[in-house]
Amino acid sequence: AQSVTQLDSQVPVFEEAPVELRCNYSSSVSVYLFWYVQYPNQGLQLLLKYLSGSTLVKGINGFEAEFNKSQTSFHLRKPSVHISDTAEYFCAVSDNQAGTALIFGKGTTLSVSS
Amino acid sequence: ETGVTQSPTHLIKTRGQQVTLRCSSQSGHNTVSWYQQALGQGPQFIFQYYREEENGRGNFPPRFSGLQFPNYSSELNVNALELDDSALYLCASRPQDRVYNEQFFGPGTRLTVL
Repeated sequence: AQSVTQLDSQVPVFEEAPVELRCNYSSSVSVYLFWYVQYPNQGLQLLLKYLSGSTLVKGINGFEAEFNKSQTSFHLRKPSVHISDTAEYFCAVSDNQAGTALIFGKGTTLSVSS
Repeated sequence: ETGVTQSPTHLIKTRGQQVTLRCSSQSGHNTVSWYQQALGQGPQFIFQYYREEENGRGNFPPRFSGLQFPNYSSELNVNALELDDSALYLCASRPQDRVYNEQFFGPGTRLTVL
């Protein structure tokens, strides 16, 4: 069975500082990996995805993530955060079989202050 | 191109009642999934529909049921509501030409069970 662990439930940072949100996954098969963002009272928006190929993936809003197969990690990074990045971030994994679900972590709350 | 829409936005029910939530998939998407997101948690997979048939289900009891219609809209029905059913219910659709599990989420329906 697949599982996702987001290692930090809350990450407070100051504006313009770099940030890393950590995600580890468990799976016995090849996976697809995703990061979603959820702003208050809204649904989920896809930030980026890893399907195959280059392990460094770039997404929207200046975010990027690195897939590390040996460490089964998919950490999300941004070199300089803005107040508007304050939101809940979810890491998710899916295997490569049709008809299966996204398995989500419990989420990391990113709080950016001035 | 319109995105995934859900109705209603908010709903209040009492324990033991039944509820129906609705979702309209994004144009060109023939697969729809439903997720339950309890407060402070990541979304949990309820079930998935493809071509009007359920083709995947998470760890939810049979009182959670669904339908998918020929126009790819969908319903989630929950019978005999319990207090723990209070959550944000998210609908997600997937393009029919994608082999990987990238899903596009709606804004959700907030269900409160009293």
